[in-house]
Amino acid sequence: EAGVVQSPRYKIIEKKQPVAFWCNPISGHNTLYWYLQNLGQGPELLIRYENEEAVDDSQLPKDRFSAERLKGVDSTLKIQPAELGDSAVYLCASSLDPGTGNEQFFGPGTRLTVL
Amino acid sequence: AQSVSQHNHHVILSEAASLELGCNYSYGGTVNLFWYVQYPGQHLQLLLKYFSGDPLVKGIKGFEAEFIKSKFSFNLRKPSVQWSDTAEYFCAVNNFGNEKLTFGTGTRLTIIP
Repeated sequence: EAGVVQSPRYKIIEKKQPVAFWCNPISGHNTLYWYLQNLGQGPELLIRYENEEAVDDSQLPKDRFSAERLKGVDSTLKIQPAELGDSAVYLCASSLDPGTGNEQFFGPGTRLTVL
Repeated sequence: AQSVSQHNHHVILSEAASLELGCNYSYGGTVNLFWYVQYPGQHLQLLLKYFSGDPLVKGIKGFEAEFIKSKFSFNLRKPSVQWSDTAEYFCAVNNFGNEKLTFGTGTRLTIIP
């Protein structure tokens, strides 16, 4: 079974440029999560989708971050414009159902460097 | 809001030593508890989880964790570590009925052969 796929794995941009990250969850997983992981920290939730609906985006900085999950499968997270402080690893995870006991499966992450 | 503390930031052990990594959480309601591991160059993967029942849970690769409700703790243990256990370990908690996982800051474990 294929795991969660993310691309690109690495991205280097200059500040004020836009950037987008793509995630393909495990087939059949209805719930999709985007996390931010700063160096030396644990992942922090940015947004959670159940199918195509964003059910928790309270931690998403909406002035510059946006996300979509069209058709309830793939998802894209965008930053426009990027700032120096956005340098981090962006993780995507998925789980089968929105039950709190369900394991979240993580992708390899996209490491963003903003210069 | 829930918070998770992992007091050991970096632990260095020799092979065959015993391991215990601490994890404490703040919210006292019904919780689900997880330990995730990230091996060098790999993605986060689940090591073990606790939802209910026996407070001593066993996971993969000989790891176990004990939920002590009175201490708000979920410490990870392994009786004899191997070089291949070198990784970063994250404790995570969610409150029952809330999908949001709150992670600790992680503990980097280095095993010396």
